[in-house]
Amino acid sequence: SQKIEQNSEALNIQEGKTATLTCNYTNYSPAYLQWYRQDPGRGPVFLLLIRENEKEKRKERLKVTFDTTLKQSLFHITASQPADSATYLCAPIPSGSARQLTFGSGTQLTVLP
Amino acid sequence: DAGVIQSPRHEVTEMGQEVTLRCKPISGHNSLFWYRQTMMRGLELLIYFNNNVPIDDSGMPEDRFSAKMPNASFSTLKIQPSEPRDSAVYFCASSLLPQNSPLHFGNGTRLTVT
Repeated sequence: SQKIEQNSEALNIQEGKTATLTCNYTNYSPAYLQWYRQDPGRGPVFLLLIRENEKEKRKERLKVTFDTTLKQSLFHITASQPADSATYLCAPIPSGSARQLTFGSGTQLTVLP
Repeated sequence: DAGVIQSPRHEVTEMGQEVTLRCKPISGHNSLFWYRQTMMRGLELLIYFNNNVPIDDSGMPEDRFSAKMPNASFSTLKIQPSEPRDSAVYFCASSLLPQNSPLHFGNGTRLTVT
C-alpha cells in the first residue's frame, strides 16, 4: 500500500539556521508533490508544488527538492525564524486523473530564538 | 476572498446524536474535499466532489457518515449516530480542478462526542 513518511520526531533548531524536513514515499510514483504548513487550530496552508521533472523549486527562503530515484522530497527553510515554527505536511500526488491527495503525518518544527 | 468557511468551529455532542458539519468553498472552485485529522491517524481524506458530484468516498469510515453537495457553494458532512471515536477535527478544502491545484482549507470543526 502507499506510504508517506516524514521526520518522525519534532525538529528543534536555532534561529538563523537552515531547517531540513524529509518526506519519503513508497509504493507509488507521484507526478507532483506539494508542501503545506499548518499552525495550531488552523487548516493547512499550501506553500509549494514541485513536479517530477523538476529537481528543485525555490520560493523566498524556502527550497524543495524532489528525487524520484530515492523517492524522497526535502524541504529547506533557510535563515529560519521563530515565526517559521509550525507543522509541515507533504502530499505526493499520483499521476492520473484521480485526486487522491494523501498527506504525510507532518513534522513539527520549532525555531528557538 | 473570505476563503473556505466552515461551521461550527466547535461541536460537543453526546453519543448517539446526529451531527452536521457545514462548508462553503471558495467561489469558482470546482473540487471540494472533506478530511478528518487526529493525532493517531493524521489527516485522512473522507470524500471528495468534482462539480458537486461525489467522486471517491472510499475514505468514509462507515455508513454512519454521509456527505452532500447540493450546489457549488455548500456542502455538508453528517454523522448519524455519532460515537466517541468520531471525535476529531474535520476539515473542508476546495480547489480548482487540475490535479496539481493547491487545496485551500477551512479552519476546521473540532468535534467532541461524549
